[in-house]
Amino acid sequence: GAGVSQSPSNKVTEKGKDVELRCDPISGHTALYWYRQSLGQGLEFLIYFQGNSAPDKSGLPSDRFSAERTGGSVSTLTIQRTQQEDSAVYLCASSLGRAKAGNTIYFGEGSWLTVV
Amino acid sequence: AQSVTQLDSHVSVSEGTPVLLRCNYSSSYSPSLFWYVQHPNKGLQLLLKYTSAATLVKGINGFEAEFKKSETSFHLTKPSAHMSDAAEYFCVVSDRRNEKLTFGTGTRLTIIP
Repeated sequence: GAGVSQSPSNKVTEKGKDVELRCDPISGHTALYWYRQSLGQGLEFLIYFQGNSAPDKSGLPSDRFSAERTGGSVSTLTIQRTQQEDSAVYLCASSLGRAKAGNTIYFGEGSWLTVV
Repeated sequence: AQSVTQLDSHVSVSEGTPVLLRCNYSSSYSPSLFWYVQHPNKGLQLLLKYTSAATLVKGINGFEAEFKKSETSFHLTKPSAHMSDAAEYFCVVSDRRNEKLTFGTGTRLTIIP
């Protein structure tokens, strides 16, 4: 597609429920990132996928968070047993190559998650 | 470790006057530096990036930034503000050892008609 696509754009869920957030990166982009944007915390790195390499999960805040990327394209971020502090905007981004090589990272518009 | 400090949380300028958004960084390695803009309810859009080439970087919409290693700064400027520039601006650093971008806390730019 023309840009990084995320769904749902908005999600309200009850505390304790599981949620899945989907990201469709720009076609041909091998690198995919998840970030979280919340009040008081700014933008935080969550996880990074590059091709078939093992993902960098070092930013995931707890074991309730997981992500996978199927077929090197679409990614799903799953939050189990949601808590109110999980309320945030979850941003997906993709890139032709590694950020550390100076490649431009393109962000989606985010999935707004509210846990009530 | 890498970090970035945006010195102003909020900047207001009159339309047609210059814009200056300040950013200082800290990095153990040669950094890549970026400025992103976020309009209300929109995703992040790249304005410009520095990756060790020319120290004066020109971006979209008339913005530019200068990498000053001696001052560890990467301030964003624009000669003449437009109403459409009103948004949140983020300074971002990558120290090239890994794939993590470190974001500043953002500067909200308000344009006064």
